[in-house]
Amino acid sequence: GEKVEQHESTLSVREGDSAVINCTYTDTASSYFPWYKQEAGKSLHFVIDIRSNVDRKQSQRLIVLLDKKAKRFSLHITATQPEDSAIYFCAANMGYKLTFGTGTSLLVDP
Amino acid sequence: NSKVIQTPRYLVKGQGQKAKMRCIPEKGHPVVFWYQQNKNNEFKFLINFQNQEVLQQIDMTEKRFSAECPSNSPCSLEIQSSEAGDSALYLCASSYRGPYEQYFGPGTRLTVL
Repeated sequence: GEKVEQHESTLSVREGDSAVINCTYTDTASSYFPWYKQEAGKSLHFVIDIRSNVDRKQSQRLIVLLDKKAKRFSLHITATQPEDSAIYFCAANMGYKLTFGTGTSLLVDP
Repeated sequence: NSKVIQTPRYLVKGQGQKAKMRCIPEKGHPVVFWYQQNKNNEFKFLINFQNQEVLQQIDMTEKRFSAECPSNSPCSLEIQSSEAGDSALYLCASSYRGPYEQYFGPGTRLTVL
């Protein structure tokens, strides 16, 4: 079946540095790519998304890049803060449903 | 912040028992999704609805799982005969349109003993 692969299972950065999480997808029909944050014991929190009609989107400290040719997308968190520490999930749509990566545990050291 | 409501937050069942959980989507969101997140952070899409109609569902859902989103009532997901492998976090999400900006509820954590 169609898959979304999240390449970094863990990522550790120093406060103030940038963090980059990379994902690839297999379904050429995917057109919507959201990112979610999950803190310990909590549910998924929507953080940012990108649609296939653009290749870059920024919301404050978050930047999402999309390379449709390579079927790759990435989340860049700039000027990281300790409260950014969480598990981040990428996803891609297949029709209405989302297929998720298996998460990247980001630790921001103060 | 998501306003999707899920109840109960925790559910403990014995093998073979029924397990039922409910979801109230955000107001104005006609599309509802159910996902299963296991302890390895693997997500499995179960079913989705637009208003009361099923849009997509997986084969597993057709056998032991049933779901509905009746008009003017909470949506529900029911497992007819729980198995140990069903132990997971069941997440309900809703969106205004299509797959876009799905907002998730807090989840129902099911433990099957």
